[in-house]
Amino acid sequence: DVKVTQSSRYLVKRTGEKVFLECVQDMDHENMFWYRQDPGLGLRLIYFSYDVKMKEKGDIPEGYSVSREKKERFSLILESASTNQTSMYLCASSYDQPQHFGDGTRLSIL
Amino acid sequence: GNSVTQMEGPVTLSEEAFLTINCTYTATGYPSLFWYVQYPGEGLQLLLKATKADDKGSNKGFEATYRKETTSFHLEKGSVQVSDSAVYFCALRRDFNKFYFGSGTKLNVKP
Repeated sequence: DVKVTQSSRYLVKRTGEKVFLECVQDMDHENMFWYRQDPGLGLRLIYFSYDVKMKEKGDIPEGYSVSREKKERFSLILESASTNQTSMYLCASSYDQPQHFGDGTRLSIL
Repeated sequence: GNSVTQMEGPVTLSEEAFLTINCTYTATGYPSLFWYVQYPGEGLQLLLKATKADDKGSNKGFEATYRKETTSFHLEKGSVQVSDSAVYFCALRRDFNKFYFGSGTKLNVKP
């Protein structure tokens, strides 16, 4: 089975901090994704990557950046955290379809 | 553009009741359609999918039929169990490997 592992289940940070969320997949998938999940809004795509060092903006990239230096790892970076970035963050990977999801990181920005 | 609309929840049912969760979509061309399920504290898992019109996806007693004429992909189950309590997401895949998700419908099943 595909395993997508997110480094933290819960994270609390302060406004203005630089925050790193890590995601690792073990199936050699080309594509990796970061979503945020908010009540009533479902999942919204932040960024995705279709190869090492390649990235594309999703629907809500503002305030975020990503890094993919190795195929198995895709990092989401909050350059200067703000309270409106408090959310559940989900990482996913895929070769074709469907996507495989990690268990999520619940991030609180105080 | 591409979008998915789901019925708002929560949906509360008694065990063994019939379940329908409505999903309609807007998309250009011929998207693939999916239902995902999210159990408490977990990520999303694929429940079923359909890749073309009139296809029926099924898994674990859940079914959904791809209806192009009504742009719908409603999820049904004949007899729900307490263990089906979760949030259900309808989604479509249109471009590249980009998915569009609905807002999710929470299902509560009472014994």
